[in-house]
Formats: sequence, C-alpha cells, structure tokens
Amino acid sequence: DAGVTQSPTHLIKTRGQQVTLRCSPISGHKSVSWYQQVLGQGPQFIFQYYEKEERGRGNFPDRFSARQFPNYSSELNVNALLLGDSALYLCASSLASGSAEQYFGPGTRLTVT
Amino acid sequence: GQNIDQPTEMTATEGAIVQINCTYQTSGFNGLFWYQQHAGEAPTFLSYNVLDGLEEKGRFSSFLSRSKGYSYLLLKELQMKDSASYLCAVRDEEQAGTALIFGKGTTLSVSS
Repeated sequence: DAGVTQSPTHLIKTRGQQVTLRCSPISGHKSVSWYQQVLGQGPQFIFQYYEKEERGRGNFPDRFSARQFPNYSSELNVNALLLGDSALYLCASSLASGSAEQYFGPGTRLTVT
Repeated sequence: GQNIDQPTEMTATEGAIVQINCTYQTSGFNGLFWYQQHAGEAPTFLSYNVLDGLEEKGRFSSFLSRSKGYSYLLLKELQMKDSASYLCAVRDEEQAGTALIFGKGTTLSVSS
C-alpha cells in the first residue's frame, strides 16, 4: 500500500508569490493534517481536516488556507509568501480525526527567496 | 497555552541505553506521542501513551505520568541507525483539537 504522498518535493518561490502544496492520504484515511517544520524545530500545526471539514487551525495568519476534496486529498495554499515561510511542509493522515497514529508524508521543501 | 520541553541534544554509544525526557503543560491533554525523524526525512511514529505507565515495543519503551506532566522514551541496545531527532508531541484538545503539538526535538547521536 502506498503511504502518504506529497507534491512537489521541492519548490522555490519569490516573496509575494502564492504556492499550492498537495497531499494524498493513505487509502482509507479520512483525516489530513498540515504542519510546518522550520529547520531545527519540531513541526508546528497549521490545519486539520476530516471528512472535508476543517477540524482545527493552528496559530498561522490568514495567508494560509487549505481544503480537503471528496477523495480525501488536500491542498495547502499560502499567499503573499514571506522569507519566513521557508520550511518543510508536512502532511499527515489518519483514519479519523482522533486516531492515535498519524502517518507523515515525505514533505515539501519550500524555499522563498 | 502549551509548553513542551525536551533536551536539545544527547550522545550515547552503541549498545548502551538512553532515556529522553519530555515535560509538558497542557490544558486539554489527550495523549502523548513519540516520533523519530532522520535528517531530511518525515517523522515516523514510535509510541503513544494516554494512560499512566510504561508501553514497550521492542527496543523502544515510553512512559507517561499525567499527574507530573512527564514522559520519557527509553532506547535500549542502541544502534548507529538510531541517530536521529526524537520528537515528543501531545494532543491537546483545547488548543488544537485532535492535531499534535510538538516539542523542538532531541537530536541523539550514537557513536561506536
């Protein structure tokens, strides 16, 4: 079985641009969470979706938005990119929103110049 | 708010035992998790504790004391491949629903 997949693997953008990151959860998993991991830090929670509805939001500005599709895949959008948005963006899937285990994808490395 | 503390770095030798501590302060605790993350890779799930006590899984064990806001991850018979960052995370339903709040991670270096 395929694990969590994310695309693209790497991305370089300039300040002020917009970016869309994609995630496909493990087959059968209905919950997707997004995290931002800056180098040397632990992942920071951005959003959680379950059954296409937002179930949680971390302390991130409104420039960050996300959605989940009927097939449970998800997109994270970031507008008006700042240098500080450079990070590894991780997607995690779980069977349900309260499941014990979250399985992480390989991440998208975003560099903002 | 929430606060999760773990040591920044630890070193150990092959075959030894190492204990990585984690302390937390949360208002809506509903589980503690340990993840392993090798450099440049995604975190992988190691353990989950929601009740007090010790959970053992092969060379890895995790302990939780909810009254003390304390957990540790115990790694036995260390191998070189155990060199990685170990992330302590809590589920705090009042702060983040069912998502996870991570500490900054402990970088473990295992030498021969």
